[in-house]
Amino acid sequence: GENVEQHPSTLSVQEGDSAVIKCTYSDSASNYFPWYKQELGKGPQLIIDIRSNVGEKKDQRIAVTLNKTAKHFSLHITETQPEDSAVYFCAALKGTYKYIFGTGTRLKVLA
Amino acid sequence: DSGVTQTPKHLITATGQRVTLRCSPRSGDLSVYWYQQSLDQGLQFLIQYYNGEERAKGNILERFSAQQFPDLHSELNLSSLELGDSALYFCASSVVGGGGTDTQYFGPGTRLTVL
Repeated sequence: GENVEQHPSTLSVQEGDSAVIKCTYSDSASNYFPWYKQELGKGPQLIIDIRSNVGEKKDQRIAVTLNKTAKHFSLHITETQPEDSAVYFCAALKGTYKYIFGTGTRLKVLA
Repeated sequence: DSGVTQTPKHLITATGQRVTLRCSPRSGDLSVYWYQQSLDQGLQFLIQYYNGEERAKGNILERFSAQQFPDLHSELNLSSLELGDSALYFCASSVVGGGGTDTQYFGPGTRLTVL
């Protein structure tokens, strides 16, 4: 069936350290993988995305990698800051319209 | 501010009742998506509309229905409410809704509590 597993569910890092969140998808037809950041009391906000024909994408302190063979994709945040603390969701697009979301990772950046 | 608005922000009701959640997409966006987020759960895709027509359906219960009006705002109707329907309900919009070609912008959500 359609499924996106996300790990870890919670992650605490010291300010300045790196954080890595991993997702695994089940449907090999998935072709687009966005990452969202959700702050308390707000809706999810897209922070980075990657398409299936690309292996890595970087935007300042945030990067995403995709391994299509293993059906894994990961979010990497370097030089973490307290304002990075939030819940992060990965998602995989199946077909054209249907997004399957992971269960989220609560990231805490300790000052 | 994403430009997507949702009302009401909070809704408390009783089991068996019916409620309507409203969403106004960003100016220029033709596509609206509805999601349900239960406590400590990810986002469950419910349904998508594009320019007034239903385009995709996810795990939406038969007790739930939605529509998109000519002015592009959308309403999600939840009926015969059960305790398990308590959740955050998000609306998102995008320009076209073709997936991977444009970004989904999420509203602030409506928190539904069923007592």
